[in-house]
Amino acid sequence: GESVGLHLPTLSVQEGDNSIINCAYSNSASDYFIWYKQESGKGPQFIIDIRSNMDKRQGQRVTVLLNKTVKHLSLQIAATQPGDSAVYFCAETTGNQFYFGTGTSLTVIP
Amino acid sequence: KAGVTQTPRYLIKTRGQQVTLSCSPISGHRSVSWYQQTPGQGLQFLFEYFSETQRNKGNFPGRFSGRQFSNSRSEMNVSTLELGDSALYLCASSLEFPYNEQFFGPGTRLTVL
Repeated sequence: GESVGLHLPTLSVQEGDNSIINCAYSNSASDYFIWYKQESGKGPQFIIDIRSNMDKRQGQRVTVLLNKTVKHLSLQIAATQPGDSAVYFCAETTGNQFYFGTGTSLTVIP
Repeated sequence: KAGVTQTPRYLIKTRGQQVTLSCSPISGHRSVSWYQQTPGQGLQFLFEYFSETQRNKGNFPGRFSGRQFSNSRSEMNVSTLELGDSALYLCASSLEFPYNEQFFGPGTRLTVL
């Protein structure tokens, strides 16, 4: 079966610091990856995506890096803010369904 | 632009009963997908509908079913409920699946007693 996992279940960072959240995936055929943010009591919110023909993509304060050689995905959040506190998880697909990581809980310390 | 809405938000059922959950997608979105989220298994894909047709299906038993109407609204049904079906059920809509941004609703919290 598919396996999408996160290296760390929790992460605490100081406000203003950069955050890095990691994700390992197992299917080398996956061609599309997404990072989601989920706040308590809400549904997941799309943050950024990346196709397998790219190795880096930047958004507003976020960057996703894809290393297909080691099947690793990371999300970098610049200048982390208290509003970034949430659970973050990655998702991968080969085109017919999504497989999700279990999530990393990010806590921003003011 | 209204977001994805799900009804009801909370539901309590007993084992053996069946339940129907509803999802209204963002206007113009024809793809609706359903997910189950539990603390132990995380987020898992159930199925995806597009233009009233189920196109993709995850690894769930036949007790889990769904349908989509001509206005893109979707329902999912779980029959013969088990304790392990207690979860947050999320739906998401998008213009296309899966290579488009998925917009999630707030979910329906189902508790099976």
